[in-house]
Amino acid sequence: QVQLQESGPGLVKPSQTLSLTCTVSGGSISSGSYYWSWIRQPAGKGLEWIGRIYTSGSTNYNPSLKSRVTISVDTSKNQFSLKLSSVTAADTAVYYCARDWAKSYYFDYWGQGTLVTVSS
Amino acid sequence: QSALTQPASVSGSPGQSITISCTGTSSDVGGYNYVSWYQQHPGKAPKLMIYDVSNRPSGVSNRFSGSKSGNTASLTISGLQAEDEADYYCSSYTSSSVFGGGTKLTVL
Repeated sequence: QVQLQESGPGLVKPSQTLSLTCTVSGGSISSGSYYWSWIRQPAGKGLEWIGRIYTSGSTNYNPSLKSRVTISVDTSKNQFSLKLSSVTAADTAVYYCARDWAKSYYFDYWGQGTLVTVSS
Repeated sequence: QSALTQPASVSGSPGQSITISCTGTSSDVGGYNYVSWYQQHPGKAPKLMIYDVSNRPSGVSNRFSGSKSGNTASLTISGLQAEDEADYYCSSYTSSSVFGGGTKLTVL
């Protein structure tokens, strides 16, 4: 059974960079069948896809966030990571990592989510 | 990219059927058979309910079904049960990925 677990600071100051890591267990992140995505959800609001990475390192980002987002992968640790720069209060949200089927772009396994608050 | 359009809320009585619509454009819903649906209970991570428009993952009740016509996808839940009360989100591929705004299902 694949499991994903987000980790990182729960509080980030405005203008700084938000950094999160997703650790995958129960399966190899190097499997060629999947992408690995980040998705966020502000309190009381809907889901917003942030971006995805393939194990080759190729990435695809939400156009509205592209200038501030970097997603990377560390296959040796079975992890992938998110960096979001120049954060504001609008970036306060629960951040989820998810497994993403490479041929159909659906998210079949999700982490439990981690709340990141942007505040001074 | 704009979020897909879903009704803010729907409701139904136990045993009834409801349908949630998800409207996009020819660049997303209408252009690909890559529509998926997710159920989210309060405080929980979303759960995949339908993928590739109409396919159910193993373990998902056959009371859940999906379809698509043109730029609009639909999720139908038949035989409503109390446990179906949740938020539902659609998602589509569009050279990236996009979600709908979400629909709150209330079981009366």
